Amino acid sequence: NAGVTQTPKFQVLKTGQSMTLQCAQDMNHEYMSWYRQDPGMGLRLIHYSVGAGITDQGEVPNGYNVSRSTTEDFPLRLLSAAPSQTSVYFCASRGLSENYGYTFGSGTRLTVV
Amino acid sequence: AQTVTQSQPEMSVQEAETVTLSCTYDTSENNYYLFWYKQPPSRQMILVIRQEAYKQQNATENRFSVNFQKAAKSFSLKISDSQLGDTAMYFCAFMKLNFGNEKLTFGTGTRLTIIP
Repeated sequence: NAGVTQTPKFQVLKTGQSMTLQCAQDMNHEYMSWYRQDPGMGLRLIHYSVGAGITDQGEVPNGYNVSRSTTEDFPLRLLSAAPSQTSVYFCASRGLSENYGYTFGSGTRLTVV
Repeated sequence: AQTVTQSQPEMSVQEAETVTLSCTYDTSENNYYLFWYKQPPSRQMILVIRQEAYKQQNATENRFSVNFQKAAKSFSLKISDSQLGDTAMYFCAFMKLNFGNEKLTFGTGTRLTIIP
């Protein structure tokens, strides 16, 4: 049981490049979310999904796209990377019966130069 | 909008001692969940303990317990018999009970160091 798997663990991008952060969970969880963690600011919600085919914006959605074609996968796309998107990104999931406890992935450290 | 405040950026304590991390929050909601997450140097976010606002009894998980004061909007974490493995960042988080709204609001964290 792998839990929540994020790839890659580290990435360096040039300004203007695009990339996709991958997130997969094998727990058949309905809910999945993406957060970014910046120094001194805790974690902030980017996008979330309550099931396949359903996504919605969080607190800081600008510059990011998501889709949820399957229950297992919830990729985060950066269309044109900016230095302000340098951060650590976390994917998290929970099931309907999980009593609101989210399971987090190990994070992706992204640097945009 | 909800806010979560952790007023202690850093704390340190001797191994085997007890330490309390503070957290206050601001909300107009009546039904919600509160959490403490631990983030060790490995960067993994680990759920330590959770509290349902409608429950008056404080949650306990082994050496970890909370002091939940709903009227004061306070949610402190007590770690008893602290161990070196407790060294980590600790985040307090809030989530209101609202189907389809899955936002966790985090505080800025407290860096806890356990001294041998």
